[in-house]
Amino acid sequence: DAEITQSPRHKITETGRQVTLACHQTWNHNNMFWYRQDLGHGLRLIHYSYGVQDTNKGEVSDGYSVSRSNTEDLPLTLESAASSQTSVYFCASSESRNQPQHFGDGTRLSIL
Amino acid sequence: DQQVKQNSPSLSVQEGRISILNCDYTNSMFDYFLWYKKYPAEGPTFLISISSIKDKNEDGRFTVFLNKSAKHLSLHIVPSQPGDSAVYFCAARSDNQGGKLIFGQGTELSVKP
Repeated sequence: DAEITQSPRHKITETGRQVTLACHQTWNHNNMFWYRQDLGHGLRLIHYSYGVQDTNKGEVSDGYSVSRSNTEDLPLTLESAASSQTSVYFCASSESRNQPQHFGDGTRLSIL
Repeated sequence: DQQVKQNSPSLSVQEGRISILNCDYTNSMFDYFLWYKKYPAEGPTFLISISSIKDKNEDGRFTVFLNKSAKHLSLHIVPSQPGDSAVYFCAARSDNQGGKLIFGQGTELSVKP
């Protein structure tokens, strides 16, 4: 069965460190997205990609970067982790812009 | 500015009764609306959607209603079951924004036996 997986599921790190969260999907979807979920805010879009070598900033992109070197993966990097980036991160993918997005099970990131 | 709002953080309903979850939006360019359901420690899963050219869409126990003049949509679950207990997010999309989803804050539904 095709799926979307995120790793790690949980991570604790210190402020100032670089952190990379992985997202891998086997649906061969062109569109991939990264969100963060915080209480009172729902899910907010960080970065998204519509295909290989394409990346775009979302609503809350400051302090984050992504790269898309193949169809299956969209890693999210926090260049210098800050406590305000403690959150639950979700990756999603969709077949096209008009299709519903499928989400991974999330990465809970704590920055101390 | 929150373009999609779910003003009720929580809702408690008795098993077998109707659950009504509400969502308001401000951007009149939104042309497609979705509801997602989320269990703890899992990702959101797509539940039901509605295009702005319709005012109702039904899928089994789930019905979504759209009132464009009021910029309001609602999700009805009839009858409610304990397994429906989850956080429900509404989301909206406009074609001129490349299909990006804007999510509401979520409503936690608790269905009591």
